Amino acid sequence: EVQLVESGGGLVQPGGSLRLSCAASGFTFSSYWMHWVRQAPGKGLVWVSRINSDGTSTSYADSVKGRFTISRDNAKNTLYLQMNTLRAEDTAVYYCARATVTMYYYYMDVWGKGTTVTVSS
Amino acid sequence: DIQMTQSPSSLSASVGDRVTITCRASQSISNYLNWYQQKPGKAPKVLIYAASSLQSGVPSRFSGSGSGTDFTLTISSLQPEDFATYYCQQSYSALYTFGQGTKLEIK
Repeated sequence: EVQLVESGGGLVQPGGSLRLSCAASGFTFSSYWMHWVRQAPGKGLVWVSRINSDGTSTSYADSVKGRFTISRDNAKNTLYLQMNTLRAEDTAVYYCARATVTMYYYYMDVWGKGTTVTVSS
Repeated sequence: DIQMTQSPSSLSASVGDRVTITCRASQSISNYLNWYQQKPGKAPKVLIYAASSLQSGVPSRFSGSGSGTDFTLTISSLQPEDFATYYCQQSYSALYTFGQGTKLEIK
């Protein structure tokens, strides 16, 4: 079964750090680009970051650039999101998602259930 | 950055109705446009990719159209399980922005 399972969420104080993990199974992880998407309570989906299949190329939303770092370990089939200098507005459910490409069209076809990050003093 | 704007933000409809949701991009994105459905407490699910291609397993009552800056998602005959929030998302640029969402509610 194709599956993504996020972990590492929790309560952290403003200015603190947290590292999220996303364990992949049921597919060849090293062949796929991966994304992080977040959703604040009662709000819409916000794209956060993406990484290519071998980890050599990344991109970030302006709101997290310079604070968050996406990475992956293909030997461990795991995606990461290192989050530093956290702010209250980073409070959200964080989803990891697999990106499939069909004829140059990328879309997120497999999603985890999400992990909750709460930034509060 | 490319901004994605959906309309309406919310919509009330009845089972059996035909419903159309619109998504507009702030610049041309060709047909690099995806649609997702999200139900409360659940992860999103892709419905349509490349503006009009139906994802495997998605019922044929869902369809997408458009190119350039203007796109639509149509549900031909609403079913009870279709009441959810729908998001468009562009994959034209390296920053994969989503629309703000359209909440489809039962009338």
